[in-house]
Amino acid sequence: DTAVSQTPKYLVTQMGNDKSIKCEQNLGHDTMYWYKQDSKKFLKIMFSYNNKELIINETVPNRFSPKSPDKAHLNLHINSLELGDSAVYFCASSLGLPGIDTQYFGPGTRLTVL
Amino acid sequence: AQSVTQLDSHVSVSEGTPVLLRCNYSSSYSPSLFWYVQHPNKGLQLLLKYTSAATLVKGINGFEAEFKKSETSFHLTKPSAHMSDAAEYFCVVTLRNRDDKIIFGKGTRLHILP
Repeated sequence: DTAVSQTPKYLVTQMGNDKSIKCEQNLGHDTMYWYKQDSKKFLKIMFSYNNKELIINETVPNRFSPKSPDKAHLNLHINSLELGDSAVYFCASSLGLPGIDTQYFGPGTRLTVL
Repeated sequence: AQSVTQLDSHVSVSEGTPVLLRCNYSSSYSPSLFWYVQHPNKGLQLLLKYTSAATLVKGINGFEAEFKKSETSFHLTKPSAHMSDAAEYFCVVTLRNRDDKIIFGKGTRLHILP
């Protein structure tokens, strides 16, 4: 059974479109995260939710909106996609808060904006 | 403020020789430190972590790291490299007293020469 899963694995879309990426974890964790990895492999945290409450909200364009319907799911919606949004987006989860607990990562969603 | 610096973007070693991947950090609070590995086209996986217990931390696949407060370092080592160790390695710092900060290093690509 996959611990942290993301859909879709690949997403190719045109500039200006709106798209969503879904993430689910079956580990019973309280905290979930979204990361962006650019073409140089640099990873940056975007958002984190703990028990459905937003705890990390880094400086990202407000075109990006996370939604956590329950503790096991954290979705990422992106409006008006731009070329610079092309990247691999990783979802992760941890048992508790990020200060101590290990994060478990999903396989990533490769987003390509044409 | 906190930061993490991985001193080498690429490291090449021969199979069977020791591995050293360097990581230095700065932190105003007590840090937790992690090393994650990312194999090509995969998500990240925890190798090991330091969260205030023993300063010498042993991880999976024969890796270990030592937390040196005086040098603000958390270098990753392995006595004998294996071809399967070829991957991207990320050093990560979080703040144990503030759970809203997660900083990834820029990564070190480890190449294993036959």
